[in-house]
Amino acid sequence: KAGVTQTPRYLIKTRGQQVTLSCSPISGHRSVSWYQQTPGQGLQFLFEYFSETQRNKGNFPGRFSGRQFSNSRSEMNVSTLELGDSALYLCASSLASGGAYYGYTFGSGTRLTVV
Amino acid sequence: DAKTTQPPSMDCAEGRAANLPCNHSTISGNEYVYWYRQIHSQGPQYIIHGLKNNETNEMASLIITEDRKSSTLILPHATLRDTAVYYCIVRVAGSGGSYIPTFGRGTSLIVHP
Repeated sequence: KAGVTQTPRYLIKTRGQQVTLSCSPISGHRSVSWYQQTPGQGLQFLFEYFSETQRNKGNFPGRFSGRQFSNSRSEMNVSTLELGDSALYLCASSLASGGAYYGYTFGSGTRLTVV
Repeated sequence: DAKTTQPPSMDCAEGRAANLPCNHSTISGNEYVYWYRQIHSQGPQYIIHGLKNNETNEMASLIITEDRKSSTLILPHATLRDTAVYYCIVRVAGSGGSYIPTFGRGTSLIVHP
């Protein structure tokens, strides 16, 4: 079966712009979580959506937002980009909220570079 | 605010067993321990999880101490393709009340010929 699909794979944006990243979870998975990975901070939780509702939010500024659609696909948006937003953004889907019992399946990520 | 402690790096000879330890002394009674690995530039891959009993699957074995304060992931016959960062995680309560996996720094395992 198809895995978690993230688009685009690579993105270069300019400071001050905004960006939207997309994630299509595994069919039947209702939970989608987003993580930011940087060399300095490692993997940091952004937010989780379950059945179109935000379940949890990590410690990120309001410039980071997300949503989930009725087909479980999710998007995350970053407004007013800063150089420090350069990172690998990973999407993870799971059957149960927070990857309980079954674990997460991660996508390959979107590499965002802000210049 | 990682709830697990792992050695930053380890190495292992190809064909030998790799034993990766993890300390999770603050784990709550009904929370599982999960292990993932991340090969360079890819998303993390789920390996195994357990509550209190030892677990085994086609990828690895997981040994959890009786007091549940630590665990060991065992790759019985490590290959060069097992070179990766291995994360031991427990889920912690998020702002919304449900639990979220919290990744620490993991252990960078290098398997050498």
